[in-house]
Amino acid sequence: DAGVTQSPTHLIKTRGQQVTLRCSPKSGHDTVSWYQQALGQGPQFIFQYYEEEERQRGNFPDRFSGHQFPNYSSELNVNALLLGDSALYLCASSFFRTGGHDGYTFGSGTRLTVV
Amino acid sequence: QKEVEQDPGPLSVPEGAIVSLNCTYSNSAFQYFMWYRQYSRKGPELLMYTYSSGNKEDGRFTAQVDKSSKYISLFIRDSQPSDSATYLCAMSRNSGNTPLVFGKGTRLSVIA
Repeated sequence: DAGVTQSPTHLIKTRGQQVTLRCSPKSGHDTVSWYQQALGQGPQFIFQYYEEEERQRGNFPDRFSGHQFPNYSSELNVNALLLGDSALYLCASSFFRTGGHDGYTFGSGTRLTVV
Repeated sequence: QKEVEQDPGPLSVPEGAIVSLNCTYSNSAFQYFMWYRQYSRKGPELLMYTYSSGNKEDGRFTAQVDKSSKYISLFIRDSQPSDSATYLCAMSRNSGNTPLVFGKGTRLSVIA
């Protein structure tokens, strides 16, 4: 049973560029949440997607956008990259209707470095 | 003041020791409390999940929540080198798909 799959594992981008990160949820899950984890910090909630719509959003600028596809996979897009966007980006999946936090499964993340 | 405070450590203990990790929080609306373990280059893995105040035990792990003091703890008994990781506390106002608010994480090393 595949867990949450994120790609790519690592990425290096130049300031001002755009980046797309991808997430495939755990089998049976229909909801995807994205978190940003800066070095030495806890994860911070970016946004959540369910039924191909953004349902909740954290305190992130609109340079951060996302998408969810009919197969429940999701993308996180970041435009006009800043050095401060360097972080581990985590995807967590869950099942919306019964989604207790004990059903939240995290992927291993994408490590983004902006130079 | 951050919503969730957690001492980042690092914390180093000998194998077999009892480890105590804790977090404080400011938002009294938090009702669900979690502890995650995160190994290097990996995503967080859920260890303990509790609702409201009280204790919960699972093997060598015990989670305690004191809502009156806004203080949560994780105890690890008979610690092992394999317990070496970063431990993150997390909490939320509601169950379901409510976003989690995390502490900074405490880096633990268990020395054989």
